[in-house]
Amino acid sequence: KNEVEQSPQNLTAQEGEFITINCSYSVGISALHWLQQHPGGGIVSLFMLSSGKKKHGRLIATINIQEKHSSLHITASHPRDSAVYICAAPPNTGNQFYFGTGTSLTVIP
Amino acid sequence: DVKVTQSSRYLVKRTGEKVFLECVQDMDHENMFWYRQDPGLGLRLIYFSYDVKMKEKGDIPEGYSVSREKKERFSLILESASTNQTSMYLCAILERAGNTIYFGEGSWLTVV
Repeated sequence: KNEVEQSPQNLTAQEGEFITINCSYSVGISALHWLQQHPGGGIVSLFMLSSGKKKHGRLIATINIQEKHSSLHITASHPRDSAVYICAAPPNTGNQFYFGTGTSLTVIP
Repeated sequence: DVKVTQSSRYLVKRTGEKVFLECVQDMDHENMFWYRQDPGLGLRLIYFSYDVKMKEKGDIPEGYSVSREKKERFSLILESASTNQTSMYLCAILERAGNTIYFGEGSWLTVV
């Protein structure tokens, strides 16, 4: 059983499309992270959010703590958005993060 | 910004060789982690350390060991590399104050 479930696993979109990636978790957390990994690259943090919504450029992340669900949206997608997106949950106790298996996004020109 | 540096980006090793992967942080963070990342399996925790000379097994420690002699350095050791250890290895640190995780660039290991 995975503490953090992500969907879809793979996603292909045409440039300009609106994209949604979903993350559900079963552990108690105070915040959730969305991470991005470009091909061959390291992982960087896009957002950390504990409630409501955060926006950075064309990226929007939302979280519903009661429903234990978060979404990452990309508006007007671009080929440079092609990457693996990972949701990550730091638990309320302990030192370990729980990670989703990632969503591999390909945006076609 | 926190910097996490992994010593090798790409390595090719032979089956049975001993492999060292090093990770260095430039801050004073206690918690350091080694993960491997494989397609479809996501990030899996190998070992972590919460202080000098302290280590804890993660989810997949078999075939690996670690060393933390200094706070800033956390090494992953493959005592006898095998082909099923071909993977991307990622070091990470946890900044407890902000509950933020920072990753190194990753080390691609191929065992032939």
